[in-house]
Amino acid sequence: DTGVSQDPRHKITKRGQNVTFRCDPISEHNRLYWYRQTLGQGPEFLTYFQNEAQLEKSRLLSDRFSAERPKGSFSTLEIQRTEQGDSAMYLCASSLDLAGINNEQFFGPGTRLTVL
Amino acid sequence: AQKVTQAQTEISVVEKEDVTLDCVYETRDTTYYLFWYKQPPSGELVFLIRRNSFDEQNEISGRYSWNFQKSTSSFNFTITASQVVDSAVYFCALRQGAQKLVFGQGTRLTINP
Repeated sequence: DTGVSQDPRHKITKRGQNVTFRCDPISEHNRLYWYRQTLGQGPEFLTYFQNEAQLEKSRLLSDRFSAERPKGSFSTLEIQRTEQGDSAMYLCASSLDLAGINNEQFFGPGTRLTVL
Repeated sequence: AQKVTQAQTEISVVEKEDVTLDCVYETRDTTYYLFWYKQPPSGELVFLIRRNSFDEQNEISGRYSWNFQKSTSSFNFTITASQVVDSAVYFCALRQGAQKLVFGQGTRLTINP
């Protein structure tokens, strides 16, 4: 399977704990995106990387959230001091964008976070 | 600001009926891309189609067809002869430039046998 993978698929944590999610994009894709989806809503953009550079962060991404893509391959999204409002599906997507040609984003299965 | 509106929250039809999912978008830019994604119960978003703002030709892929009209800022999606496997949440999305997607709230489609 050469699609986008995410780990874990489900995470249950207590309020105040830190959690970290991992995303492995499609291997040749240079762009990686994180989105958050709450129940009954469409995904909302959080941040994206071009190779290892984080180029944009949404205002949804509070200072408790941090994302990295250290070698331009996999990415991690960490949430510190989780709150119940952080409960959502966290989706990762990747795309291949070269020389002004922008291609569609392919999504992973998501990590469902439940904060108790 | 960019915005995508999917006014139909839920649609339920009987198998073999045709069904159209509406999508209306707002953007000030002249260059943009529109997308449809399918989200089955498993949760993974599946890419269906991309259309750029300069290409208003309608597209047909099997039982799926898309009608893009810039004059009304709409990008509607029709499923012909619907099947139970088409049951899912469908999202319309807009991308300006090379960056984030802005999604509508989605339409939950249920196809009853």
